[in-house]
Amino acid sequence: EAQVTQNPRYLITVTGKKLTVTCSQNMNHEYMSWYRQDPGLGLRQIYYSMNVEVTDKGDVPEGYKVSRKEKRNFPLILESPSPNQTSLYFCASSLQRGTTDTQYFGPGTRLTVL
Amino acid sequence: AQSVTQLGSHVSVSEGALVLLRCNYSSSVPPYLFWYVQYPNQGLQLLLKYTSAATLVKGINGFEAEFKKSETSFHLTKPSAHMSDAAEYFCAASGGSNYKLTFGKGTLLTVNP
Repeated sequence: EAQVTQNPRYLITVTGKKLTVTCSQNMNHEYMSWYRQDPGLGLRQIYYSMNVEVTDKGDVPEGYKVSRKEKRNFPLILESPSPNQTSLYFCASSLQRGTTDTQYFGPGTRLTVL
Repeated sequence: AQSVTQLGSHVSVSEGALVLLRCNYSSSVPPYLFWYVQYPNQGLQLLLKYTSAATLVKGINGFEAEFKKSETSFHLTKPSAHMSDAAEYFCAASGGSNYKLTFGKGTLLTVNP
């Protein structure tokens, strides 16, 4: 089944404790992206990747890191999480350009930083 | 910079009534436009997209949207609401040479019996 998977789905952590949210897609998509969703703010893009080893900042990259060493994986890293990073996170992928192709979203990761 | 405005954070309709969700975009270049739907506790899925072909775009579940360049609008409609349409709807737009997609803040659709 074609899908985007994220792990974990739920995570409660404390300020400053490094964490990684994994994202994997099995559709051989080139473009992958991370978003955060906050009430009243919609989805805001954190980082995106056009292909392996090619990443760029979205609208709200501060406090986040990403890497794209393999085509299928695009982990999101929070090296020192803070409470303002409490949010619902979505990973998405598309065949090529995220701006023209349909994006396929993962189920989401709900992160709480205490 | 690209921006997307969705008028009305919450729209409530009766079952069987017309659904109209509004979206306006700002772009200095011809945009690509999308509507995504998010059902409770799920990720987003594509309803329909405009990519500079026909201005009236038909999507899944009976939804359609019309691209109006003069009004910079891409409103989503459905003639007759069903209870299963209750969800949050997001309009998104892209334009230019970058790889960024900008989402609106979303409209929560409630369908009353």
